[in-house]
Amino acid sequence: KAGVTQTPRYLIKTRGQQVTLSCSPISGHRSVSWYQQTPGQGLQFLFEYFSETQRNKGNFPGRFSGRQFSNSRSEMNVSTLELGDSALYLCASSPLGGLAGAGANVLTFGAGSRLTVL
Amino acid sequence: QKEVEQNSGPLSVPEGAIASLNCTYSDRGSQSFFWYRQYSGKSPELIMFIYSNGDKEDGRFTAQLNKASQYVSLLIRDSQPSDSATYLCAVNAGNMLTFGGGTRLMVKP
Repeated sequence: KAGVTQTPRYLIKTRGQQVTLSCSPISGHRSVSWYQQTPGQGLQFLFEYFSETQRNKGNFPGRFSGRQFSNSRSEMNVSTLELGDSALYLCASSPLGGLAGAGANVLTFGAGSRLTVL
Repeated sequence: QKEVEQNSGPLSVPEGAIASLNCTYSDRGSQSFFWYRQYSGKSPELIMFIYSNGDKEDGRFTAQLNKASQYVSLLIRDSQPSDSATYLCAVNAGNMLTFGGGTRLMVKP
């Protein structure tokens, strides 16, 4: 069974540019969550999608956006990049998210996309 | 603001000892609790989850939950150098997981 696939794995951008990251969840998983991980702030929740709908959003500016497609694949976009956006962006999938008990919302993480903003 | 607190460490234990990792959370509505392990440069991987008060054992790992005290812990018995990693506590209330900052564990041979 294939795991969570994130692309690209590494990318370098300059301030002001935008970036799109992609995530393919485990087959059958309908919930996709995105997290930003930095040494100083740890794992910070960005947003969660279920059946193409954003169910939850973390405390990030509007420059951070996402979407989910009908096949559960998800993308996140960061516009007008800032130096502080340099981070590891982690995507995680789960069968149902938080709807049905602890087992259904176990997150499986992808390898992450490491973004460096110069 | 829902918070999950962990001691950042490093927690250093000798090989073969018991490592005890602790986590407190602020949201009394939290329903399920997770422990993830993250090796340097890798993504988090699930160790175990717990949602009922008491202990849950899985091999060398035991998770302990006390909802009245809003406290979750992870015990690692017979610690091995390969257990050296950052351990992340995560708490679910609704549709999202909130992670603590992680505790770095070092197991010395």
